Amino acid sequence: AQSVTQPDIHITVSEGASLELRCNYSYGATPYLFWYVQSPGQGLQLLLKYFSGDTLVQGIKGFEAEFKRSQSSFNLRKPSVHWSDAAEYFCAGDTGGGNKLTFGTGTQLKVEL
Amino acid sequence: GAVVSQHPSWVICKSGTSVKIECRSLDFQATTMFWYRQFPKQSLMLMATSNEGSKATYEQGVEKDKFLINHASLTLSTLTVTSAHPEDSSFYICSASKRQTFKMGGYTFGSGTRLTVV
Repeated sequence: AQSVTQPDIHITVSEGASLELRCNYSYGATPYLFWYVQSPGQGLQLLLKYFSGDTLVQGIKGFEAEFKRSQSSFNLRKPSVHWSDAAEYFCAGDTGGGNKLTFGTGTQLKVEL
Repeated sequence: GAVVSQHPSWVICKSGTSVKIECRSLDFQATTMFWYRQFPKQSLMLMATSNEGSKATYEQGVEKDKFLINHASLTLSTLTVTSAHPEDSSFYICSASKRQTFKMGGYTFGSGTRLTVV
């Protein structure tokens, strides 16, 4: 079955430190992959997406993600975290065409000042 | 960019009543709209997918008579929670996509509706 896995439920980092949130996917073919961020009581904001081509994807707010086919991963990174980055982060996958988006369980990011 | 408006942002209703949530794509015509439910501290669970002018496709375990979805136009989908009960209290989020421009736009999400049934 198609699935997206986020192994880390909670992550705490200090402000200014680097961040990496893990995401693994299980699809028959290369999926379309997304990272979203959600603040409490809010909808989802798209950080970045990978469809094909360059495996290093740049997104908004200084985030980037790298697609690694050999590891079935699409990890999200940020070189220096800001306190305002504290939120829930979701990785999601789609087989293509916008027919169904499958979400990971999410990673709650806390930022220590 | 693409914008999806979801209304209301929160609603409180009495047990046994029905409540309607609207999802509008403001600046594009959505070929497909999706409804998700999210419990506190949990991920989004897809409830149903709707294409304009056709019946919604419900995910396994979702009661289609409880959660009525209408997608009457390319810019509007509604979710009606019928005979609501406290266990229906949740955060409901819609999203929309346009097949022709999916590789540019992807999915666009509404801001969500907090439903509380008392």
